[in-house]
Amino acid sequence: EPEVTQTPSHQVTQMGQEVILRCVPISNHLYFYWYRQILGQKVEFLVSFYNNEISEKSEIFDDQFSVERPDGSNFTLKIRSTKLEDSAMYFCASSEQGATDGYTFGSGTRLTVV
Amino acid sequence: AQSVTQPDIHITVSEGASLELRCNYSYGATPYLFWYVQSPGQGLQLLLKYFSGDTLVQGIKGFEAEFKRSQSSFNLRKPSVHWSDAAEYFCAVLFTGGGNKLTFGTGTQLKVEL
Repeated sequence: EPEVTQTPSHQVTQMGQEVILRCVPISNHLYFYWYRQILGQKVEFLVSFYNNEISEKSEIFDDQFSVERPDGSNFTLKIRSTKLEDSAMYFCASSEQGATDGYTFGSGTRLTVV
Repeated sequence: AQSVTQPDIHITVSEGASLELRCNYSYGATPYLFWYVQSPGQGLQLLLKYFSGDTLVQGIKGFEAEFKRSQSSFNLRKPSVHWSDAAEYFCAVLFTGGGNKLTFGTGTQLKVEL
């Protein structure tokens, strides 16, 4: 069964450093998403991406965040200057026809900012 | 305001017993409804979804859910729980007109006693 692949599974970074979280969505999917889950809290929407541009973003997704699909297969989330409160599990998801499909999620990247 | 609520944070059931996990939403119309499961260290896996039609939907792993418009609910059920069902379960909602993103409940942690 096709999978969404996320790397790394765990990343530790110092506050103020830049991090890039990587995702390989399912190949025929057209819609891509990033969500995060702070420990003990709900899964929160960050951003959706379609046709090589951001289609929607949440209040969390401020100027410190950016997304990119650099080569037609990878989908990355960059945090420019990490803060302690960015520590969370970050999930990438993709869907073929949009949110009405439901998503296929990756297994997540646990980001720890120290 | 649009919202999704999972009233039970933790539920413990004995193996072989029946299970019902509750999900309620607040919205002026019928949204798209989903249940996801998250096993430890894993991503979120789609169990089932409801858009319209028959209000009882069947999903994977022996799960089913029933949409009740009058109660704004979409409860997840399983007749006989297996120890491997221990996980966190998330109800998610796509509010039509609310963009292309899912809104997740806070999750219900299921523990199965042998």
